[in-house]
Amino acid sequence: EIVLTQSPDFQSVTPKEKVTITCRASQSIGSSLHWYQQKPDQSPKLLIKYASQSFSGVPSRFSGSGSGTDFTLTINSLEAEDAATYYCHQSSSLPDTFGQGTKLEIK
Amino acid sequence: QLQLQESGPGLVKPSETLSLTCTVSGGSISSSSYYWGWIRQPPGKGLEWIGSIYYSGSTYYNPSLKSRVTISVDTSKNQFSLKLSSVTAADTAVYYCARRAGPYDYWGQGTLVTVSS
Repeated sequence: EIVLTQSPDFQSVTPKEKVTITCRASQSIGSSLHWYQQKPDQSPKLLIKYASQSFSGVPSRFSGSGSGTDFTLTINSLEAEDAATYYCHQSSSLPDTFGQGTKLEIK
Repeated sequence: QLQLQESGPGLVKPSETLSLTCTVSGGSISSSSYYWGWIRQPPGKGLEWIGSIYYSGSTYYNPSLKSRVTISVDTSKNQFSLKLSSVTAADTAVYYCARRAGPYDYWGQGTLVTVSS
C-alpha cells in the first residue's frame, strides 16, 4: 500500500497570502496524484488531477506540481472561502489511498 | 450534470450488515471509462477507500476490509451498492459514493451511518 504524507497538518493563514501544501508518497506514483478540497459538512471536491491539471470550474489561484514522490498544492492569493481541509489521493496502484489531510484556517 | 445519491439506513446494530445504494443520474453507469467507488470518513477523521466496481461487475476492495465488503452493480437501475458485514462502532462514518476517473471527480453528498444498539 502506498502511504501519502501531507504537511503541514494545520496552517493558519491570512487572506491574500500564498499557501503551499505538500504530499509525499512512500514510492513513486508518476503523476497519478490528485487534490481535493473539503469544507465542513460537504463532500470532497476535486481541485487538481494528475498532479497539475486543473479540474473544470476550479479557480485559477489553485495549482499543482510535482511527480514521482513529491507533490505540491499551491493556493495563490488566498480567499476566505478557501478555509477547508485539503487531501491528496493517489490512483497509481490499488488500494487507493489518501493523505491524512491539511486543515487550512483563515485568520 | 452527473449526480450521485447515497441511500440506506442511518442506524445499524453491531454485528449486522450495513447496506447502502448509490443512484447515478445524468450519466450512464455502463460507461467504459469509469469505475464507481465507495469511500468513507469517520467523524472528525480522514478519507478511507472501501472499494470500486466496473459496470461489468469487476471489483477491487481495500485489503483491510475485504473480508467484510461486497460491492455490486445494477446497470438496469443505474445503481451500485455496498454491503459491509459484521459492523462495529469503528464502522460509524459518513459513506460517500463517487465516480472514479483516475481521480474521483464526482461525489455524492454522503450519508452518515451510525453503528449502535
